[in-house]
Amino acid sequence: EAGVAQSPRYKIIEKRQSVAFWCNPISGHATLYWYQQILGQGPKLLIQFQNNGVVDDSQLPKDRFSAERLKGVDSTLKIQPAKLEDSAVYLCASSTYRGRNSPLHFGNGTRLTVT
Amino acid sequence: EDQVTQSPEALRLQEGESSSLNCSYTVSGLRGLFWYRQDPGKGPEFLFTLYSAGEEKEKERLKATLTKKESFLHITAPKPEDSATYLCAVQAIGAAGNKLTFGGGTRVLVKP
Repeated sequence: EAGVAQSPRYKIIEKRQSVAFWCNPISGHATLYWYQQILGQGPKLLIQFQNNGVVDDSQLPKDRFSAERLKGVDSTLKIQPAKLEDSAVYLCASSTYRGRNSPLHFGNGTRLTVT
Repeated sequence: EDQVTQSPEALRLQEGESSSLNCSYTVSGLRGLFWYRQDPGKGPEFLFTLYSAGEEKEKERLKATLTKKESFLHITAPKPEDSATYLCAVQAIGAAGNKLTFGGGTRVLVKP
């Protein structure tokens, strides 16, 4: 089974610029998550989709971050404008459904550096 | 608010030197406690899910246990390839979707 695909792997931008990340989940996985992982910390949930609807975006900084999941498959996460504190690894994960036996499967992330 | 605290932050072991990692959690109702392994430059890789106090799961040299307030990940006779960051996460009953709340992780280095 193919894993969660993310691109790009690395991105370096200047503050106030914009950036977008792409995620393709495991085939058939209805639930998709974006997590932010700052160096030395555990991942923090930004947004969760069930099919193409948002389930939880309570920790998404909506003044600068946006995400969409068109057609319930691929997803993009955008930051505009970026701040220095946005430097982190952005992880995408997917799971089969909302049941208890559905661990999250993670991609390898996009490492963002904001200078 | 769900909280997960892992200790120690870092652990250096000699090959063959067994040890335990701790994960303390506070959650309104626990649906599941998850352990993940994360290698540098990679995403977290799923290891175990524990659902109720007293439950144990094993995989090779790793054994996870669960009580009502904490979980332990025991590493028996570790090898250098067990070097990684180990993340603990909780899934709460009634939480939106089945999101995971993670701890900060324990970085394990096993020296030959």
